[in-house]
Amino acid sequence: EAGVAQSPRYKIIEKRQSVAFWCNPISGHATLYWYQQILGQGPKLLIQFQNNGVVDDSQLPKDRFSAERLKGVDSTLKIQPAKLEDSAVYLCASSLRFGTVNTEAFFGQGTRLTVV
Amino acid sequence: ILNVEQSPQSLHVQEGDSTNFTCSFPSSNFYALHWYRWETAKSPEALFVMTLNGDEKKKGRISATLNTKEGYSYLYIKGSQPEDSATYLCASPGSSASKIIFGSGTRLSIRP
Repeated sequence: EAGVAQSPRYKIIEKRQSVAFWCNPISGHATLYWYQQILGQGPKLLIQFQNNGVVDDSQLPKDRFSAERLKGVDSTLKIQPAKLEDSAVYLCASSLRFGTVNTEAFFGQGTRLTVV
Repeated sequence: ILNVEQSPQSLHVQEGDSTNFTCSFPSSNFYALHWYRWETAKSPEALFVMTLNGDEKKKGRISATLNTKEGYSYLYIKGSQPEDSATYLCASPGSSASKIIFGSGTRLSIRP
């Protein structure tokens, strides 16, 4: 079974530039998560999709971050414009059914973003 | 927002020693507790998903216990090896029981 794919692995941009990350979840996984992990902290949920609908985006800074999951499969996360404090690892995860109460989430390797 | 806390923040252990660390979570409206291991340059990987009070799970030298009444889980590593060096994350669903909220992790380093 192929895992969760993310790209790019690394990205360095200047502040005020735009950046986009891509995620391809495990086939058949309905739930997709984007997390932001800042150095020294645990992963913070940015947005959760169930198929192509948003379940939770309460911690997504909507003035600069956007995400979509067209056709309920691949997802992209965009930052426009980037700030220095956006430097972090962005993790994508997916799970088989709605929520992950009793089932594990599978993670991609993450995108390490550095904003200079 | 559900508060999931882990301690200690970091831990340095001699190879061969055993160690343990803690995850605490609100005991009300408990649904499940997840443990993940995150090695450098790799993806976080699930170790255990625990749902029942008193649950004990084991995978090789790593085991975990769960106390839902008092709101804590322990992760134990017996006879630490260099390959155990990683960040160990615990996570629990939020009030909607549909999303994972992570603790800040325990960074474990094993000294050869």
